[in-house]
Amino acid sequence: DAGVTQSPTHLIKTRGQHVTLRCSPISGHKSVSWYQQVLGQGPQFIFQYYEKEERGRGNFPDRFSARQFPNYSSELNVNALLLGDSALYLCASSFGSSGGGAKNIQYFGAGTRLSVL
Amino acid sequence: QQQVKQSPQSLIVQKGGISIINCAYENTAFDYFPWYQQFPGKGPALLIAIRPDVSEKKEGRFTISFNKSAKQFSLHIMDSQPGDSATYFCAAIDNQGGKLIFGQGTELSVKP
Repeated sequence: DAGVTQSPTHLIKTRGQHVTLRCSPISGHKSVSWYQQVLGQGPQFIFQYYEKEERGRGNFPDRFSARQFPNYSSELNVNALLLGDSALYLCASSFGSSGGGAKNIQYFGAGTRLSVL
Repeated sequence: QQQVKQSPQSLIVQKGGISIINCAYENTAFDYFPWYQQFPGKGPALLIAIRPDVSEKKEGRFTISFNKSAKQFSLHIMDSQPGDSATYFCAAIDNQGGKLIFGQGTELSVKP
């Protein structure tokens, strides 16, 4: 079975531009989460979606937005890019449930490396 | 504030030795504790996960020990191999929505 797939793998943008990152979850998973990982640090939570509804939002500016589609794939959008947005953007999927537990264990894709010049 | 603290920041172990990485959390709003392994340029890969009502879980050479009263948990890698050289992250799953809170990471180097 395919794991979490992300596209593109690498992206170079300039300051002020807009970027869209895409993610396809593991088949059967209904929850998708997005994380930002800066070099040398642990991933930081950006968004979580479950059944197309936003379930959680991390401490990121409104320039960051996301959505989940009926097929459970997801997009992360970042507007007005800043140099500090350069990072590895990770998508993770899980079965997801309101009851917590093992169904919320997340599996990650390989990430999209975003460089802002 | 939800936090997971991880130590050490880096670790050097000889081949065949035991690697030990420790984590501590600050509140009880977590209901699952996974460990991830990450190689340079790759996404984190799930290694092993434990529920807070279990004191130990073993999968192959990897063992998680969990101390609920002390709010601490650790990863032991037995018979460490050069191929285990990677960055390891402990994490906690928020029981309200399922988001992951990560530790700062431990860069493990296993010397042949």
